[in-house]
Amino acid sequence: QITLKEFGPTLVKPTQTLTLTCSFSGFSLNTSGLAVAWIRQPPGRALEWLALVYWDNDKRFSPSLESRLTITKDTSRNQVVLTLTNMGPEDTATYYCAHAEYDWNYAMDVWGPGTTVTVSS
Amino acid sequence: DIQMTQSPFSLSPSVGDSVTITCQASQNIGEYLHWYQQKGGQAPKLLIYSASNLQSGVPSRFSGRGTGTYFTLTINNLQPEDFGIYYCQESYIIPWTLGQGTKVEV
Repeated sequence: QITLKEFGPTLVKPTQTLTLTCSFSGFSLNTSGLAVAWIRQPPGRALEWLALVYWDNDKRFSPSLESRLTITKDTSRNQVVLTLTNMGPEDTATYYCAHAEYDWNYAMDVWGPGTTVTVSS
Repeated sequence: DIQMTQSPFSLSPSVGDSVTITCQASQNIGEYLHWYQQKGGQAPKLLIYSASNLQSGVPSRFSGRGTGTYFTLTINNLQPEDFGIYYCQESYIIPWTLGQGTKVEV
């Protein structure tokens, strides 16, 4: 059974860097064809895809946020870490990580419960 | 970037109705189109992958069709638990793009 869960601070000050960890079980990100994605949702708004790391360590980002995002995978710990620099009020959102795989055309089939981050001084 | 346009923005059907949500892509995405349901305060749930494939455990009253640029999600015999917001998402090209959502208020 695949599960994912997001961890990180609930409150971040403007200009700080957000670091979120996605801990997962039930799969290995060394397995060919797999990926973990990050998605966020500001309060009352639509979902926004942020970033993706593939099993082969290929990394992709939303162009609008690429300069502020990094994504890394730690296969030994079954974790994917997302960092977002220079946080602002517009980054207040619930952040989700999700599993995706090639066999299903990278549909995000299992999601974590999400973690809510508020940016405020 | 590919733009995904959903319609309608919202709808208020009755229990037992059939509803159809559409999703239009700004360019051909083949069948790299997926549908999600999100209920208040919860993570999205995958309903349909690759345009027409029902995710395991999803009731058969949900169905998806389409290819290329035009896709539909149909819910037959709408149930009270089907309220929520529905999103389409393309995975044909990076950046992955999601629609703006369709709110179904039962």
